[in-house]
Amino acid sequence: AQKITQTQPGMFVQEKEAVTLDCTYDTSDPSYGLFWYKQPSSGEMIFLIYQGSYDQQNATEGRYSLNFQKARKSANLVISASQLGDSAMYFCAMREGRSDYKLSFGAGTTVTVRA
Amino acid sequence: AAGVIQSPRHLIKEKRETATLKCYPIPRHDTVYWYQQGPGQDPQFLISFYEKMQSDKGSIPDRFSAQQFSDYHSELNMSSLELGDSALYFCASSTRGQGAAYEQYFGPGTRLTVT
Repeated sequence: AQKITQTQPGMFVQEKEAVTLDCTYDTSDPSYGLFWYKQPSSGEMIFLIYQGSYDQQNATEGRYSLNFQKARKSANLVISASQLGDSAMYFCAMREGRSDYKLSFGAGTTVTVRA
Repeated sequence: AAGVIQSPRHLIKEKRETATLKCYPIPRHDTVYWYQQGPGQDPQFLISFYEKMQSDKGSIPDRFSAQQFSDYHSELNMSSLELGDSALYFCASSTRGQGAAYEQYFGPGTRLTVT
């Protein structure tokens, strides 16, 4: 079964506007971590933000924030004040448990920022 | 800040040849992961090493092997290459120390093309 689901294959956003990328996850482990990565067309995988399952507050890193709704098993990424350089593929990923450190990725969402 | 280093960045091989990919983790990171990302796909976990011992194994073909050396660098060896092995191969590193957030930092990737 798919552990990470990203239902938006592609999105367009106007420069300076905010955009929300959806991510839902499936796990029965009470300890897990959720990650968002950005992959520009150049191919590198850039770490953006992390949310632990026991974290009480939503994670924020600059213009990135994670809307963590544990009961709904969702971890949406919000990018505020979009910039042209934000155009990229965005992957949501999950680490389960405290002994299994590998990441399971979603299919990704392509974001295109328009001037 | 030092990042994960991968070499080579690009590699072209013919079918049935062998390839060796190298990864140098961030200093003081004790865990290395290898991922394979096919064209238009999300990264798939191959194998990981913690303190020079294999710690987890994913969907890695028997034709592939990997190891982590005493200086913590890792090598992914691929033999009898097939056209389907053409992909972007990422190495990532993290630390499992006390209080670690388990964030995985990815290298720039090695783009392998099998002809």
